[in-house]
Amino acid sequence: AQSVTQPDIHITVSEGASLELRCNYSYGATPYLFWYVQSPGQGLQLLLKYFSGDTLVQGIKGFEAEFKRSQSSFNLRKPSVHWSDAAEYFCAVGGGTSGTYKYIFGTGTRLKVLA
Amino acid sequence: DVKVTQSSRYLVKRTGEKVFLECVQDMDHENMFWYRQDPGLGLRLIYFSYDVKMKEKGDIPEGYSVSREKKERFSLILESASTNQTSMYLCASSFRRQLSGNTIYFGEGSWLTVV
Repeated sequence: AQSVTQPDIHITVSEGASLELRCNYSYGATPYLFWYVQSPGQGLQLLLKYFSGDTLVQGIKGFEAEFKRSQSSFNLRKPSVHWSDAAEYFCAVGGGTSGTYKYIFGTGTRLKVLA
Repeated sequence: DVKVTQSSRYLVKRTGEKVFLECVQDMDHENMFWYRQDPGLGLRLIYFSYDVKMKEKGDIPEGYSVSREKKERFSLILESASTNQTSMYLCASSFRRQLSGNTIYFGEGSWLTVV
């Protein structure tokens, strides 16, 4: 079955510390992978996406993610977190050749940033 | 930039009322989606449309219907609102054709409270 797992529901980091948010997926075809961020009361904004090629993907706001096929993972990282990064982060898979509408989202990781 | 606009950000409706949530996108996307977002449950697909007048049920279609009379507009209808439909509703859109992965873009969300 196709699925996306974000094992951490909540993460708290201090401002300036590094961040890694975990995402594991199960998907039968070539995965197209996404990370979205949602600020309180807002919609989801695309941070970055992986379709093919270089497995290290750069996104907006200083985020990057690395696709590891052997581990079925697509973890999101940021070297130095800012207070404005406090939000909820969603990993998603899909939108590819196995089904143009089948986007599967994780349940999200809520990030808290300590001053 | 892609723009997905949900006309109503905050609504309060009474049990049994008919509710319309409207969504418009300006990128000529074939696919449009309605998701429901609840704490701890992530995003759940209600309905999906891949063309005008076409629709497919998602994971939780019960109690909802949709309408797509024009390519840019996708409406979610609650025929008789119930309190368990109190939630955040997210509209989204994407291209259908098989490019190297199709990114899904979201609106700002509509907060619906049914009393």
